[in-house]
Amino acid sequence: DAGVTQSPTHLIKTRGQQVTLRCSPKSGHDTVSWYQQALGQGPQFIFQYYEEEERQRGNFPDRFSGHQFPNYSSELNVNALLLGDSALYLCASSPFNRGLYEQYFGPGTRLTVT
Amino acid sequence: DAKTTQPTSMDCAEGRAANLPCNHSTISGNEYVYWYRQIHSQGPQYIIHGLKNNETNEMASLIITEDRKSSTLILPHATLRDTAVYYCIVRPPRSGGSNYKLTFGKGTLLTVNP
Repeated sequence: DAGVTQSPTHLIKTRGQQVTLRCSPKSGHDTVSWYQQALGQGPQFIFQYYEEEERQRGNFPDRFSGHQFPNYSSELNVNALLLGDSALYLCASSPFNRGLYEQYFGPGTRLTVT
Repeated sequence: DAKTTQPTSMDCAEGRAANLPCNHSTISGNEYVYWYRQIHSQGPQYIIHGLKNNETNEMASLIITEDRKSSTLILPHATLRDTAVYYCIVRPPRSGGSNYKLTFGKGTLLTVNP
């Protein structure tokens, strides 16, 4: 049973460019959340997707957008990249129909903006 | 979500019990205490969670004080592979059609020494 997978592993972009990160949830999970983790900090919640809709959003600008596909996989898009967007981007999945659950995290995508 | 306070770092000898404290004095009656850990360069990993009673699983034990204002995560026989950042998180159960996000602090860096 594959866990949460993310691609790519590492990415280097230039300021002003756009980036798309991908996530496949753990089998049986239908909810995907995205987190940003700056160096030395804990992960910060970006948004969560369920039934192909954004259900919750953290304190991130509109440059951060996402999408969920019918197979529950998800993409995170960041436009007009800033140096401060350099971070580890984590995807987490969980089953929506359980009141209490643990989120399963992927290994993350390391984004470097130069 | 209630705020948590954890020591920045702790050391533990291999084979000994590691006791990681967490203060959550503003916790509400329906909020759960969750523990995650993050080994260097990996995504966070769920460890355990509880509401009022002490909990134990194959990874750890969670001791919650009677007033629920603090808790302790116990790794009974720490190994070198337990070296990680440990996060204590307080969150309510799912309600209102939305899965609540995880709010991470900076956590406690536990270093297990040989």
